[in-house]
Amino acid sequence: GQQLNQSPQSMFIQEGEDVSMNCTSSSIFNTWLWYKQDPGEGPVLLIALYKAGELTSNGRLTAQFGITRKDSFLNISASIPSDVGIYFCAALKGGSEKLVFGKGMKLTVNP
Amino acid sequence: GAVVSQHPSWVICKSGTSVKIECRSLDFQATTMFWYRQFPKQSLMLMATSNEGSKATYEQGVEKDKFLINHASLTLSTLTVTSAHPEDSSFYICSARLAGGPPETQYFGPGTRLLVL
Repeated sequence: GQQLNQSPQSMFIQEGEDVSMNCTSSSIFNTWLWYKQDPGEGPVLLIALYKAGELTSNGRLTAQFGITRKDSFLNISASIPSDVGIYFCAALKGGSEKLVFGKGMKLTVNP
Repeated sequence: GAVVSQHPSWVICKSGTSVKIECRSLDFQATTMFWYRQFPKQSLMLMATSNEGSKATYEQGVEKDKFLINHASLTLSTLTVTSAHPEDSSFYICSARLAGGPPETQYFGPGTRLLVL
Protein backbone atom coordinates (compact mmCIF):
# COMPACT_ATOMS: atom_id res chain seq x y z
CA GLY A 1 0.00 0.00 0.00
CA GLN A 2 0.90 3.63 -0.27
CA GLN A 3 3.32 4.92 2.32
CA LEU A 4 4.94 8.17 3.21
CA ASN A 5 8.72 8.55 3.04
CA GLN A 6 9.81 9.49 6.53
CA SER A 7 13.36 10.41 7.47
CA PRO A 8 15.57 9.96 9.30
CA GLN A 9 14.74 6.46 10.50
CA SER A 10 16.39 7.03 13.84
CA MET A 11 18.21 9.70 15.81
CA PHE A 12 20.37 9.72 18.89
CA ILE A 13 20.61 13.11 20.55
CA GLN A 14 21.68 14.66 23.81
CA GLU A 15 19.13 16.09 26.19
CA GLY A 16 18.55 19.74 25.36
CA GLU A 17 19.22 19.39 21.64
CA ASP A 18 16.68 20.08 18.95
CA VAL A 19 15.61 17.43 16.44
CA SER A 20 13.83 17.60 13.12
CA MET A 21 12.18 14.97 11.01
CA ASN A 22 10.22 15.11 7.78
CA CYS A 23 7.86 13.21 5.57
CA THR A 24 7.49 13.40 1.83
CA SER A 25 5.16 11.89 -0.69
CA SER A 26 4.66 11.85 -4.43
CA SER A 27 0.96 12.46 -3.80
CA ILE A 28 -0.94 15.46 -2.51
CA PHE A 29 -2.60 15.17 0.88
CA ASN A 30 -5.15 17.45 2.52
CA THR A 31 -4.26 16.73 6.13
CA TRP A 32 -0.93 15.94 7.77
CA LEU A 33 -0.65 14.48 11.25
CA TRP A 34 2.19 13.68 13.59
CA TYR A 35 1.95 10.91 16.19
CA LYS A 36 4.16 9.57 18.94
CA GLN A 37 4.16 5.92 19.88
CA ASP A 38 5.67 4.57 23.08
CA PRO A 39 6.73 0.90 23.24
CA GLY A 40 3.75 -1.41 23.50
CA GLU A 41 1.25 1.40 23.12
CA GLY A 42 -0.91 2.88 20.40
CA PRO A 43 0.00 6.16 18.68
CA VAL A 44 -0.96 9.44 20.30
CA LEU A 45 -1.72 12.48 18.17
CA LEU A 46 0.73 15.35 18.65
CA ILE A 47 -0.16 17.86 15.95
CA ALA A 48 -2.66 18.08 13.09
CA LEU A 49 -2.16 20.32 10.05
CA TYR A 50 -4.97 21.27 7.70
CA LYS A 51 -3.71 23.96 5.34
CA ALA A 52 -0.76 24.16 2.97
CA GLY A 53 1.92 26.35 4.52
CA GLU A 54 0.39 26.07 7.98
CA LEU A 55 2.85 26.21 10.86
CA THR A 56 1.52 24.88 14.16
CA SER A 57 3.10 24.57 17.58
CA ASN A 58 2.25 22.42 20.57
CA GLY A 59 4.61 23.24 23.40
CA ARG A 60 8.11 22.31 22.28
CA LEU A 61 6.78 20.77 19.08
CA THR A 62 6.44 22.66 15.83
CA ALA A 63 5.14 21.20 12.60
CA GLN A 64 4.55 22.58 9.14
CA PHE A 65 2.35 21.53 6.25
CA GLY A 66 4.39 21.91 3.06
CA ILE A 67 3.31 24.39 0.41
CA THR A 68 3.15 21.66 -2.22
CA ARG A 69 0.95 19.56 0.11
CA LYS A 70 3.36 16.69 -0.46
CA ASP A 71 5.47 17.06 2.66
CA SER A 72 5.55 18.01 6.30
CA PHE A 73 8.17 18.40 9.00
CA LEU A 74 8.18 18.14 12.78
CA ASN A 75 10.67 19.85 15.04
CA ILE A 76 11.19 19.13 18.72
CA SER A 77 13.11 21.77 20.61
CA ALA A 78 15.09 21.38 23.82
CA SER A 79 14.58 17.63 23.97
CA ILE A 80 14.04 15.85 27.28
CA PRO A 81 14.33 12.15 28.15
CA SER A 82 10.57 11.57 27.95
CA ASP A 83 10.65 12.55 24.27
CA VAL A 84 12.03 9.08 23.61
CA GLY A 85 9.75 7.06 21.36
CA ILE A 86 8.79 6.51 17.77
CA TYR A 87 7.39 9.42 15.82
CA PHE A 88 5.11 8.78 12.86
CA CYS A 89 3.82 11.10 10.23
CA ALA A 90 0.43 10.32 8.75
CA ALA A 91 -1.67 11.93 6.08
CA LEU A 92 -5.17 11.94 4.64
CA LYS A 93 -6.33 12.60 1.12
CA GLY A 94 -9.40 14.74 0.56
CA GLY A 95 -12.61 12.78 1.05
CA SER A 96 -10.78 9.81 2.55
CA GLU A 97 -10.90 8.52 6.09
CA LYS A 98 -7.92 6.19 5.65
CA LEU A 99 -4.73 7.31 7.32
CA VAL A 100 -1.48 6.63 5.48
CA PHE A 101 1.52 6.32 7.77
CA GLY A 102 5.24 6.89 7.41
CA LYS A 103 7.67 4.23 8.64
CA GLY A 104 8.46 6.11 11.81
CA MET A 105 11.52 7.68 13.38
CA LYS A 106 12.94 6.22 16.56
CA LEU A 107 14.23 8.95 18.85
CA THR A 108 16.72 8.28 21.62
CA VAL A 109 17.58 11.07 24.04
CA ASN A 110 20.67 10.66 26.17
CA PRO A 111 20.40 12.43 29.51
CA GLY B 1 -10.44 12.89 26.55
CA ALA B 2 -11.51 10.09 24.26
CA VAL B 3 -10.26 6.71 25.42
CA VAL B 4 -10.06 3.52 23.42
CA SER B 5 -9.29 0.23 25.10
CA GLN B 6 -8.23 -3.11 23.68
CA HIS B 7 -8.49 -6.52 25.21
CA PRO B 8 -6.46 -8.55 25.65
CA SER B 9 -3.26 -6.53 25.71
CA TRP B 10 -1.29 -9.59 24.73
CA VAL B 11 -2.07 -13.16 23.82
CA ILE B 12 -0.09 -16.29 23.08
CA CYS B 13 -1.83 -19.08 21.23
CA LYS B 14 -1.11 -22.30 19.44
CA SER B 15 -1.07 -22.47 15.67
CA GLY B 16 -4.50 -23.29 14.28
CA THR B 17 -6.51 -21.68 17.05
CA SER B 18 -8.64 -18.55 16.77
CA VAL B 19 -8.10 -15.39 18.74
CA LYS B 20 -10.60 -12.60 19.35
CA ILE B 21 -9.46 -9.03 20.06
CA GLU B 22 -11.87 -6.42 21.38
CA CYS B 23 -11.73 -2.70 20.73
CA ARG B 24 -13.93 -0.43 22.82
CA SER B 25 -14.50 3.30 22.82
CA LEU B 26 -15.01 4.03 26.50
CA ASP B 27 -16.45 7.51 26.61
CA PHE B 28 -17.69 8.22 23.11
CA GLN B 29 -19.60 6.63 20.29
CA ALA B 30 -17.71 5.50 17.24
CA THR B 31 -19.53 4.75 14.03
CA THR B 32 -16.23 3.84 12.42
CA MET B 33 -13.36 1.81 13.81
CA PHE B 34 -10.15 0.89 12.05
CA TRP B 35 -7.91 -2.13 12.49
CA TYR B 36 -4.18 -1.87 11.87
CA ARG B 37 -1.34 -4.34 12.00
CA GLN B 38 2.19 -3.35 12.91
CA PHE B 39 5.18 -5.62 12.49
CA PRO B 40 8.36 -4.95 14.51
CA LYS B 41 10.06 -1.74 13.51
CA GLN B 42 7.47 -1.17 10.82
CA SER B 43 4.67 1.29 10.27
CA LEU B 44 0.99 0.80 10.92
CA MET B 45 -0.76 -0.83 8.00
CA LEU B 46 -4.51 -0.49 7.70
CA MET B 47 -6.22 -3.87 7.54
CA ALA B 48 -9.87 -2.93 7.47
CA THR B 49 -12.44 -0.27 8.17
CA SER B 50 -15.33 -1.30 10.38
CA ASN B 51 -18.64 0.53 10.30
CA GLU B 52 -21.29 -0.11 12.92
CA GLY B 53 -24.06 -2.30 11.63
CA SER B 54 -22.48 -3.07 8.27
CA LYS B 55 -19.81 -5.29 6.79
CA ALA B 56 -16.22 -4.27 7.18
CA THR B 57 -14.21 -3.01 4.23
CA TYR B 58 -10.90 -4.80 3.87
CA GLU B 59 -7.70 -3.45 2.35
CA GLN B 60 -6.15 -5.19 -0.60
CA GLY B 61 -4.31 -8.32 0.40
CA VAL B 62 -6.13 -8.79 3.71
CA GLU B 63 -8.18 -11.99 3.81
CA LYS B 64 -11.65 -11.24 5.11
CA ASP B 65 -12.28 -14.89 5.98
CA LYS B 66 -9.15 -15.01 8.08
CA PHE B 67 -9.61 -11.70 9.86
CA LEU B 68 -13.26 -11.56 10.87
CA ILE B 69 -14.48 -8.16 11.98
CA ASN B 70 -17.71 -7.48 13.81
CA HIS B 71 -18.88 -3.99 14.76
CA ALA B 72 -22.09 -4.74 16.61
CA SER B 73 -22.42 -1.54 18.60
CA LEU B 74 -21.25 2.06 18.59
CA THR B 75 -18.64 1.28 21.22
CA LEU B 76 -17.35 -2.17 20.32
CA SER B 77 -15.59 -3.76 17.39
CA THR B 78 -13.96 -7.18 17.43
CA LEU B 79 -11.27 -8.70 15.27
CA THR B 80 -11.02 -12.48 15.19
CA VAL B 81 -7.90 -14.03 13.76
CA THR B 82 -9.08 -17.44 12.60
CA SER B 83 -6.77 -20.44 12.37
CA ALA B 84 -3.83 -18.33 13.43
CA HIS B 85 -0.36 -19.15 12.17
CA PRO B 86 3.06 -17.91 13.27
CA GLU B 87 3.14 -15.36 10.44
CA ASP B 88 0.05 -13.74 12.00
CA SER B 89 2.13 -12.80 15.02
CA SER B 90 2.05 -9.03 15.16
CA PHE B 91 0.89 -5.98 17.07
CA TYR B 92 -2.76 -5.28 16.29
CA ILE B 93 -4.00 -1.74 16.93
CA CYS B 94 -7.50 -0.39 16.60
CA SER B 95 -8.65 3.18 16.33
CA ALA B 96 -12.06 4.72 16.72
CA ARG B 97 -13.44 7.77 15.02
CA LEU B 98 -15.82 9.99 16.94
CA ALA B 99 -19.33 9.71 15.48
CA GLY B 100 -19.82 12.74 13.28
CA GLY B 101 -16.25 13.80 13.79
CA PRO B 102 -13.71 14.69 11.10
CA PRO B 103 -11.82 11.79 9.49
CA GLU B 104 -8.52 12.76 11.11
CA THR B 105 -9.98 12.40 14.59
CA GLN B 106 -9.02 8.80 15.26
CA TYR B 107 -8.23 7.72 18.76
CA PHE B 108 -5.95 4.73 18.99
CA GLY B 109 -6.13 1.84 21.38
CA PRO B 110 -3.05 0.58 23.25
CA GLY B 111 -2.66 -2.39 20.93
CA THR B 112 -2.75 -6.16 21.32
CA ARG B 113 0.37 -8.18 20.85
CA LEU B 114 -0.33 -11.60 19.34
CA LEU B 115 2.22 -14.39 19.39
CA VAL B 116 1.31 -17.57 17.57
CA LEU B 117 3.45 -20.56 18.43
